Amino acid sequence: KNQVEQSPQSLIILEGKNCTLQCNYTVSPFSNLRWYKQDTGRGPVSLTIMTFSENTKSNGRYTATLDADTKQSSLHITASQLSDSASYICVVSYFSGGYNKLIFGAGTRLAVHP
Amino acid sequence: ETGVTQTPRHLVMGMTNKKSLKCEQHLGHNAMYWYKQSAKKPLELMFVYSLEERVENNSVPSRFSPECPNSSHLFLHLHTLQPEDSALYLCASSQDRGVFSYEQYFGPGTRLTVT
Repeated sequence: KNQVEQSPQSLIILEGKNCTLQCNYTVSPFSNLRWYKQDTGRGPVSLTIMTFSENTKSNGRYTATLDADTKQSSLHITASQLSDSASYICVVSYFSGGYNKLIFGAGTRLAVHP
Repeated sequence: ETGVTQTPRHLVMGMTNKKSLKCEQHLGHNAMYWYKQSAKKPLELMFVYSLEERVENNSVPSRFSPECPNSSHLFLHLHTLQPEDSALYLCASSQDRGVFSYEQYFGPGTRLTVT
């Protein structure tokens, strides 16, 4: 069964600290993996996207890694800011029948406190 | 802004009401999607439209009725909803339903509360 599991479910950190969010998936055949940031009451906004051959990709203070062998990804946030408080969603897609199917994780809710 | 707008942003309705959610995309995309997001659960795909034709319906109850009059607009008509239908309803669009369908842009969502 195609699944995306994220951990932790929620996380509280102090402003300025770093944190790492995890994503494990069993989706096959793998097409790409994307991390979204979703502010409360808003739609998800893409942070990074990685294909099978990419191991790491950065977007400012956000760095995503991908290990396609172990089917794990992580999102590392450096020097956190209050505005990083949001849900972070891992989405894995696979190409089947002529189009992409997206499998969503339940998200990690991050709270950054001053 | 992602180029996808949704109205209303918040909606409270009784179980006997009829209401509609609207989505508009300004990206020139050919595929549009409705998702339901409940608390602490993954996004659930409800409907997919490609070139105004419904191509996917993920066993959604008939009290949800989608409509796509053109490639820029998507509606979700609601009637006789249940309290468990309360959720954030997200609209998304992508360039096409094929190779580029992984690149989806989301609207801000409509927060629906059924009383």
